[in-house]
Amino acid sequence: EAAVTQSPRNKVAVTGGKVTLSCNQTNNHNNMYWYRQDTGHGLRLIHYSYGAGSTEKGDIPDGYKASRPSQENFSLILELATPSQTSVYFCASGEWGEQYFGPGTRLTVL
Amino acid sequence: GDSVTQTEGQVALSEEDFLTIHCNYSASGYPTLFWYVQYPGEGPQLLFRASRDKEKGSSRGFEATYDKGTTSFHLRKASVQESDSAVYYCALTLGGSNAKLTFGKGTKLSVKS
Repeated sequence: EAAVTQSPRNKVAVTGGKVTLSCNQTNNHNNMYWYRQDTGHGLRLIHYSYGAGSTEKGDIPDGYKASRPSQENFSLILELATPSQTSVYFCASGEWGEQYFGPGTRLTVL
Repeated sequence: GDSVTQTEGQVALSEEDFLTIHCNYSASGYPTLFWYVQYPGEGPQLLFRASRDKEKGSSRGFEATYDKGTTSFHLRKASVQESDSAVYYCALTLGGSNAKLTFGKGTKLSVKS
């Protein structure tokens, strides 16, 4: 039974549009993370959270917002999507460096 | 800042070949080191970790030994299989329950039968 789920799994958006990626975890971890994965860059941290109500900037936060309304849910928001945000996005939960990843969302911004 | 450097790009092997993927790190403190594996179409998953100098981590026939002297954590497997084809990431954290991970850029392993 998958402990970290993401929705949608695939998304096509238009430039300037708003995109929300959702993540749910059943691991009861305090910490959750959003990464993007691009060829040649590996995994890069966008935003993370230490618990409900908290969000922190990662290494590449520009153009992204995050929301953590509950222990289980963590969303990534692109207010004005751009083609440079075309990527695969992974959510993870974890503690002490051990992170459990979701299956990813492939986002294409046209 | 902290960083991880691993074998770049792709590694192509045949079944039963010996695998080495190099990983070197730079950190301001005493990190915990990890290897993660990502199979096609999936998210990364933890392979194993090591927290102390000379500690060996291992799983599924893969192993790596924490070497503080050379700041390395090289991944090795004696005999690879086609099913080992995946992307491998070396990573570090400086600890704490809410610690972030610093990842290397990943190494894609392709194994031919």
